[in-house]
Amino acid sequence: QKEVEQDPGPLSVPEGAIVSLNCTYSNSAFQYFMWYRQYSRKGPELLMYTYSSGNKEDGRFTAQVDKSSKYISLFIRDSQPSDSATYLCAMLDTGNQFYFGTGTSLTVIP
Amino acid sequence: ETGVTQTPRHLVMGMTNKKSLKCEQHLGHNAMYWYKQSAKKPLELMFVYSLEERVENNSVPSRFSPECPNSSHLFLHLHTLQPEDSALYLCASSQARAGMGLETQYFGPGTRLLVL
Repeated sequence: QKEVEQDPGPLSVPEGAIVSLNCTYSNSAFQYFMWYRQYSRKGPELLMYTYSSGNKEDGRFTAQVDKSSKYISLFIRDSQPSDSATYLCAMLDTGNQFYFGTGTSLTVIP
Repeated sequence: ETGVTQTPRHLVMGMTNKKSLKCEQHLGHNAMYWYKQSAKKPLELMFVYSLEERVENNSVPSRFSPECPNSSHLFLHLHTLQPEDSALYLCASSQARAGMGLETQYFGPGTRLLVL
């Protein structure tokens, strides 16, 4: 079983839609949860990170962590064509080891 | 720009060649990483240098050799690679804080490597 599971997609939505991206994990030791956005031909850039269960909002983006279900989500409201990218979830355990999902490819159609 | 630069951006090499990838960070961080990104696979951590200590993943073949001469520079030396080593190689940096673990990482643009 992989430490982090993420549906690779591809996911295609119309402009203005609400996008939900998800990852599940199996390791209870994960304590930091991150979302990265990676545009084509670029390295991943940090979008949001959170330490605890609950929601964290930043503009059109909301990160949600449910430690009891070992499930994290990234919601994008009012999606724009510029949001088209691959979104990677990442987690850090208590031993300072990073684990990444495979990434979900998102296309927002104008 | 994230403050992490990588050169070259693209590299084509034969299986008998020796080449090096270079990474430089301008963020004042004290931890640097090499990752391999292949299609449909999670990022694979290859090497970490944190607080001048090297953390090695035992599954990385010896044909990959890292070098970290100082906290701002990181190299990945390549020799006798295989076609399956073709991938995007990403460098990242972060600030390691005592008692808090490794903080979030900032990635460079990557080097797209093709081994023929």
